[in-house]
Amino acid sequence: AQTVTQSQPEMSVQEAETVTLSCTYDTSESDYYLFWYKQPPSRQMILVIRQEAYKQQNATENRFSVNFQKAAKSFSLKISDSQLGDAAMYFCAYISNFGNEKLTFGTGTRLTIIP
Amino acid sequence: KAGVTQTPRYLIKTRGQQVTLSCSPISGHRSVSWYQQTPGQGLQFLFEYFSETQRNKGNFPGRFSGRQFSNSRSEMNVSTLELGDSALYLCASSLVPGEGKGTEAFFGQGTRLTVV
Repeated sequence: AQTVTQSQPEMSVQEAETVTLSCTYDTSESDYYLFWYKQPPSRQMILVIRQEAYKQQNATENRFSVNFQKAAKSFSLKISDSQLGDAAMYFCAYISNFGNEKLTFGTGTRLTIIP
Repeated sequence: KAGVTQTPRYLIKTRGQQVTLSCSPISGHRSVSWYQQTPGQGLQFLFEYFSETQRNKGNFPGRFSGRQFSNSRSEMNVSTLELGDSALYLCASSLVPGEGKGTEAFFGQGTRLTVV
């Protein structure tokens, strides 16, 4: 079974600084997707960024970028120029591209932005 | 366009009762998935429906059930509620099954269920 591990329950960063959230996963498959979701206090999960396993180029969405290391099964999220609105729970998630796929989530990292 | 709508937002039930939660997906989305979120267990997959058929099911007891209607709206039901069923229940909709098929899953704001 696939597992997703987020080893940082909480992180904090000064406004305008850069922070990196860690995620590792375990799978025997080669074709899959990885995601970072953000859950603010409003509780609604919002997709931040996605990465297809077959793409070597790291995904980037404005201030958000990932460092995808397929061999190491690592998928970290870098937030540049942190803003107050970035404060939220961040979840790393995995989904296989085979069979009856379902999202498997990590336990989350609570990110606090210090003004 | 309107997002994923979950009703009710909050619910308090007594042990032994049953509850029904509703999820209206984004217009045109045919796949609906349900997740349970608790502080201890995190986010756990309950089930997924596509075209009124259950396509995938997580590791939950039979007290948890669901269905999907012809308009893609979905309901989940929990019978004989237990204290441990207290959680945030999230619904996600997507165009096709499997969030990895190049389509994004959009989540609702969830239903906070408290069992007393």
